[in-house]
Amino acid sequence: KAGVTQTPRYLIKTRGQQVTLSCSPISGHRSVSWYQQTPGQGLQFLFEYFSETQRNKGNFPGRFSGRQFSNSRSEMNVSTLELGDSALYLCASSLGTASEKLFFGSGTQLSVL
Amino acid sequence: AQRVTQPEKLLSVFKGAPVELKCNYSYSGSPELFWYVQYSRQRLQLLLRHISRESIKGFTADLNKGETSFHLKKPFAQEEDSAMYYCALSRSGYSTLTFGKGTMLLVSP
Repeated sequence: KAGVTQTPRYLIKTRGQQVTLSCSPISGHRSVSWYQQTPGQGLQFLFEYFSETQRNKGNFPGRFSGRQFSNSRSEMNVSTLELGDSALYLCASSLGTASEKLFFGSGTQLSVL
Repeated sequence: AQRVTQPEKLLSVFKGAPVELKCNYSYSGSPELFWYVQYSRQRLQLLLRHISRESIKGFTADLNKGETSFHLKKPFAQEEDSAMYYCALSRSGYSTLTFGKGTMLLVSP
């Protein structure tokens, strides 16, 4: 079956702009999580959506938001972009039960100039 | 708050040598521990989790609650083991992960 699909693969934006990233989970998976990966901070949890509801949230400012649709696809939005938002954004899907294996996408590489 | 520490950024060994990638954690409750791996030009993927007590590709990891460690071991390293390895923790009952910063394993012929 198809894996987790993230679009676009690369994005270049300027400071102050906003951006929307998309994630299509594996068919049947109801949980979608987002992680930010940077060389300095590593992988950091942003938020998790399950059945269209935000179930968990990491320690990121309110400029970072997300949503999940009825087909489990998820979008992540970052407003008023800052240089420090440059990162690889990874999406992961799972059935949503505890301690479960996460399936990761290839990520969206965001560069903020 | 939970925290995962991987003290080595890079571990370089020769083929056939034993490998141990260290992982220490801090968490006041009962954690679930995982090892994820990212091979070159591939996605991040689960290698093993402590609740399964399984051996994958010859790797094993034992949860030591007294030392709060979950070190990854393999008796004889292979060149194809070269990859980035991440130790991760989730709180009991949750699926979200706290990752360590990763250890790059390089296995030379």
